[in-house]
Amino acid sequence: KAGVTQTPRYLIKTRGQQVTLSCSPISGHRSVSWYQQTPGQGLQFLFEYFSETQRNKGNFPGRFSGRQFSNSRSEMNVSTLELGDSALYLCASSLGGGYQETQYFGPGTRLLVL
Amino acid sequence: TQLLEQSPQFLSIQEGENLTVYCNSSSVFSSLQWYRQEPGEGPVLLVTVVTGGEVKKLKRLTFQFGDARKDSSLHITAAQPGDTGLYLCAGARSNDYKLSFGAGTTVTVRA
Repeated sequence: KAGVTQTPRYLIKTRGQQVTLSCSPISGHRSVSWYQQTPGQGLQFLFEYFSETQRNKGNFPGRFSGRQFSNSRSEMNVSTLELGDSALYLCASSLGGGYQETQYFGPGTRLLVL
Repeated sequence: TQLLEQSPQFLSIQEGENLTVYCNSSSVFSSLQWYRQEPGEGPVLLVTVVTGGEVKKLKRLTFQFGDARKDSSLHITAAQPGDTGLYLCAGARSNDYKLSFGAGTTVTVRA
């Protein structure tokens, strides 16, 4: 079974630009979550989707948005990039997102904002 | 501020020694998960504990969930260089659909 895949793996952008990151979950998984990982803040929850519906959202500005498609693939978008958005963005998938379920993480997309 | 406090932040030990990582919170969680993350990769789940007082053993790793489901510990016996990595604890609540992570403990095991 293929794992969670994220594209692209690396990205360099400049301030003010926007970026779209993609996540393909494990086949059969309907819950997709996104996390931002930085050295200073660690892993911070961005949002979670299940069957194309956002069920929870973290404490991030509105510049961060996401969506999920009918095949469970998910994208997140960051508009008007700031230097502080430089981070590793991780996607995780699970069957239904329940608290006992195993979350499978992808390798992440490393975003550098110059 | 992190909902889960992990200690210590860094740990460097010699091969064969034991180590313990702590994860504490003032909040109750429905489950507590431990992950290990290596450079360039996403976190990989080691264990999930859901019952207060629960103890789980995986080879040389022992995980404990506090009675009140607010804290947890990870103990590694006879550490090996392959145990090197970033250890993360994460708490989850039912119907919350998110993980709250601790800041992580960087463990280095010297050969």
